[in-house]
Amino acid sequence: GAGVSQTPSNKVTEKGKYVELRCDPISGHTALYWYRQSLGQGPEFLIYFQGTGAADDSGLPNDRFFAVRPEGSVSTLKIQRTERGDSAVYLCASSFQGASTGELFFGEGSRLTVL
Amino acid sequence: QKEVEQNSGPLSVPEGAIASLNCTYSDRVSQSFFWYRQYSGKSPELIMSIYSNGDKEDGRFTAQLNKASQYVSLLIRDSQPSDSATYLCAVNAKGGANNLFFGTGTRLTVIP
Repeated sequence: GAGVSQTPSNKVTEKGKYVELRCDPISGHTALYWYRQSLGQGPEFLIYFQGTGAADDSGLPNDRFFAVRPEGSVSTLKIQRTERGDSAVYLCASSFQGASTGELFFGEGSRLTVL
Repeated sequence: QKEVEQNSGPLSVPEGAIASLNCTYSDRVSQSFFWYRQYSGKSPELIMSIYSNGDKEDGRFTAQLNKASQYVSLLIRDSQPSDSATYLCAVNAKGGANNLFFGTGTRLTVIP
């Protein structure tokens, strides 16, 4: 497709379970970002990839969160031992030039609900 | 101190009026500044970018940047009901790094 694709659009899980969220960026975009947005808040930076490597993972809240981008395209955000506080919309964005000089194109998000 | 601060609003203006949205940031070395618009239940979309002190106009939108005061604003002229959304200020991260920090957003309602 032409835009950033995220799956699943909605995920309901139980506390303690493992979750994977997938992001398929716009073709040709080398920069990929994960943000998390809670109700009434702005997007909170989690991690940024340039190609296959994580250029900045300083926003990951703890070691339960991990993200990969093995071939420099699709990325997966992995959350272990989910907690109720992890409930949020997880937004993926991609950019051709990188956020500082170019536009971020966001996907529609994956809404995670931890019961 | 948060990297980017905005008044969360809500801000209500009548149709046809000027809406003024404000943002301050903490990192003096930030170089890139953006305004994103987010409709309820949708993802953010870029509406303005600004990199130099002064004003930048695009249609009904004007972004203003004052690096000395660490202040960015967005003016929307001739506000329309379709402008009703949350406006997010975003600033590139410390030392010019290639990621963005977002403010909490200002919710704007334009009253017909």
